[in-house]
Amino acid sequence: DSGVTQTPKHLITATGQRVTLRCSPRSGDLSVYWYQQSLDQGLQFLIQYYNGEERAKGNILERFSAQQFPDLHSELNLSSLELGDSALYFCASSVDGTGVLHEQYFGPGTRLTVT
Amino acid sequence: GDSVTQMEGPVTLSEEAFLTINCTYTATGYPSLFWYVQYPGEGLQLLLKATKADDKGSNKGFEATYRKETTSFHLEKGSVQVSDSAVYFCALSDHQAGTALIFGKGTTLSVSS
Repeated sequence: DSGVTQTPKHLITATGQRVTLRCSPRSGDLSVYWYQQSLDQGLQFLIQYYNGEERAKGNILERFSAQQFPDLHSELNLSSLELGDSALYFCASSVDGTGVLHEQYFGPGTRLTVT
Repeated sequence: GDSVTQMEGPVTLSEEAFLTINCTYTATGYPSLFWYVQYPGEGLQLLLKATKADDKGSNKGFEATYRKETTSFHLEKGSVQVSDSAVYFCALSDHQAGTALIFGKGTTLSVSS
């Protein structure tokens, strides 16, 4: 158990809908990262928050957004969903904003299926 | 941009066989290198890391050496077990580009008894 929790574990929804994925980082970790794992694209970095502020952006679509709340939990919002958004979404946390020398701890993921 | 290339799988081995999974990288800066493992139905776990050239990361019998001259970070284990069956990801974090991880596509390892 990494200490990172993600809810829900599974999500099935229809095209055009909007969903919210939730992540609680390990106690004491200030940085949260979101990654998408799909069969064709592999594991891709989406976005990073550090202590409530956006720190870095990766291949995140404009239809997707995220935020980190004062209690440090984070939410990833996916809207106007398309079939191609079906993937496993991972959240990871690390102790500070550098992350390079600090391990990123991954949650178990949320599997999103868009039908 | 930065990228990681690792050998295609699946890799199928018998118990106690020697394992090598090749990983090469392209980076503009001075990256840190990682191997992560993903067991079925679980998230990723850090297996080992190396932060500068010639560093050797090791854990649970797995080893990898950061080779700057060949831009490689190959994963090795002398004697695999059935419990090592999983997907292995090579990744880098480029100090100049931020701290997010850039992953290879993953290599599935299947070990039979």
